[in-house]
Amino acid sequence: EPEVTQTPSHQVTQMGQEVILRCVPISNHLYFYWYRQILGQKVEFLVSFYNNEISEKSEIFDDQFSVERPDGSNFTLKIRSTKLEDSAMYFCASRRAPGQHNEKLFFGSGTQLSVL
Amino acid sequence: KNQVEQSPQSLIILEGKNCTLQCNYTVSPFSNLRWYKQDTGRGPVSLTIMTFSENTKSNGRYTATLDADTKQSSLHITASQLSDSASYICVVSGTNAGKSTFGDGTTLTVKP
Repeated sequence: EPEVTQTPSHQVTQMGQEVILRCVPISNHLYFYWYRQILGQKVEFLVSFYNNEISEKSEIFDDQFSVERPDGSNFTLKIRSTKLEDSAMYFCASRRAPGQHNEKLFFGSGTQLSVL
Repeated sequence: KNQVEQSPQSLIILEGKNCTLQCNYTVSPFSNLRWYKQDTGRGPVSLTIMTFSENTKSNGRYTATLDADTKQSSLHITASQLSDSASYICVVSGTNAGKSTFGDGTTLTVKP
């Protein structure tokens, strides 16, 4: 089965530093997402991205966050100045087509971000 | 406020037994309901997807049901295996499959 690939699997950073989390969605997918999961809590939606622009974002996704699709394969999440509370597992996900409500959503294995 | 409530919070069963997990939601409008399996430290893996018109969907030993009138869903696992030990998450979507509401999950432990 096709996979969404995320790198790195673990990222440790100092508070205030910038981090970039990388994702390679499945090649023929058009809709991309970032989610996060704080330890012991539920998965939370951050942002969805389609046609090279953000289509929806949550209240968590403030000015410290940005997403980019710099080339035809990568999808990145940047946190400009990390805070302690940004420590979480960040999941990238993708699906094939927009507007298809029964389309399967594929998740990557996640990047565990630890802010010290 | 859109909410997804799952029960029980955790469940321990013996290998080979069946179990049923519950999900109640208040998400509106409703587009689809998905069940995911999440192993510790891994991303969620899709088990079933149901839209408004679907009452049941099976995927191997997993069978999901949906009652859109009462806003309830269940996930039934038959003949459980040790590898079924994981968190099972119910996710309900409105108009966009990305901006979904996740439940807290049910942690299932299957013991030999």
